[in-house]
Amino acid sequence: DIQMTQSPSSLSASVGDRVTITCRASQGISNYLAWYQQKPGKVPKLLIYAASTLQSGVPSRFSGSGSGTDYTLTISSLQPEDVATYYCQKYNGAPYSFGRGTKLEIK
Amino acid sequence: QVQLVQSGAEVKKPGASVKVSCKPSGYTFTDYYLQWVRQDPGQGLEWMGWINPKSGGTNYAQKFQGRVTMTRDTSISTVYLELSRLISDDTAVYYCARDVEDGMDVWGQGTTVTVSS
Repeated sequence: DIQMTQSPSSLSASVGDRVTITCRASQGISNYLAWYQQKPGKVPKLLIYAASTLQSGVPSRFSGSGSGTDYTLTISSLQPEDVATYYCQKYNGAPYSFGRGTKLEIK
Repeated sequence: QVQLVQSGAEVKKPGASVKVSCKPSGYTFTDYYLQWVRQDPGQGLEWMGWINPKSGGTNYAQKFQGRVTMTRDTSISTVYLELSRLISDDTAVYYCARDVEDGMDVWGQGTTVTVSS
């Protein structure tokens, strides 16, 4: 099975900072990669799919990039409402594994 | 609007089974696969498997093989997750989510299952 390694596991940044979260697959996944945001006590929300396509309604400060095995979620200017845990997930075939998550806090 | 409504919280004893329902609305029931994901208390997301509501076909994560059953009832447009031989480590929030072939775009509200003697 393909393993998804997400880093860092936690991150503290200031409002306005550029934030980057990385997800690495143990084998190539051909951009079948989604990013989710889960705010405390809430249901996960789809942010990005196909590695770089922004889900409808998601602020443009979020972006995704990458190919092959390495993918990145970037928040261009961190806002207080972005405090959440972020997960990557592969979906190029079962199992649809998630990364272990990155907990993002405001400094 | 598209919604997935799940059944309410459950408390079960070790060794028992639990059956969680998920009822989509706002779209044609058979048009999209449904995924099941669980989240242990304070932990990350864990993929459990999917069901094709049209055919009833399923694919389960290896970890749950032999203990999990996903079914659907097309007459009432509802899918079910049943997990048997429960242990305390199965205490978690269980989510269903719509698979649009590019991620999971709509999630149920979650069902808390507590396994305790």
